[in-house]
Amino acid sequence: GESVGLHLPTLSVQEGDNSIINCAYSNSASDYFIWYKQESGKGPQFIIDIRSNMDKRQGQRVTVLLNKTVKHLSLQIAATQPGDSAVYFCAETLALGANSKLTFGKGITLSVRP
Amino acid sequence: SQTIHQWPATLVQPVGSPLSLECTVEGTSNPNLYWYRQAAGRGLQLLFYSVGIGQISSEVPQNLSASRPQDRQFILSSKKLLLSDSGFYLCAWSKKGSYNEQFFGPGTRLTVL
Repeated sequence: GESVGLHLPTLSVQEGDNSIINCAYSNSASDYFIWYKQESGKGPQFIIDIRSNMDKRQGQRVTVLLNKTVKHLSLQIAATQPGDSAVYFCAETLALGANSKLTFGKGITLSVRP
Repeated sequence: SQTIHQWPATLVQPVGSPLSLECTVEGTSNPNLYWYRQAAGRGLQLLFYSVGIGQISSEVPQNLSASRPQDRQFILSSKKLLLSDSGFYLCAWSKKGSYNEQFFGPGTRLTVL
């Protein structure tokens, strides 16, 4: 089975509120954890990644948190906007090398209410 | 800047017919290339990846195959399509040594009837 999964299939938030999307993983040997965003009818787009030796990393309006103790990953989106409506995937990868590849979770839909 | 192209955008094929999906990348050289399949409402399943011309790694046993005849060209093929081959096929590339950030193409929506 997949080693990366998501707790909830859908998330609905009010425009302007903060969003928190959660992900559980099972492979403690993974080196990187990544978030992708997929808008309807398009390919996924890289948002942010975090190395396994970090707990937190911030980007533009997004923050990724990693809790290795409970094997939990989360993506926080500040001041959620209508353009944030999409499916979000967490992914993991092992050591950077010739055979590295991503393993994606199932995805969660974020719906932003105006 | 780099761009990735996939064609066709949509395809309807009968069961048992052959398949050829093409992906090309512009603006970069020696990329890693990937084929994924996404079933409706599901996550992305890695089918094949390639680190160089003629080098193909298969992730899932199935009736699909992949080839990389040129550095920036990746082809997904099948001799006989099955109903279960329906889905959204995505090609992606990444820089060598940068596997976290993959750049995806627009995808091909395949319906097998």
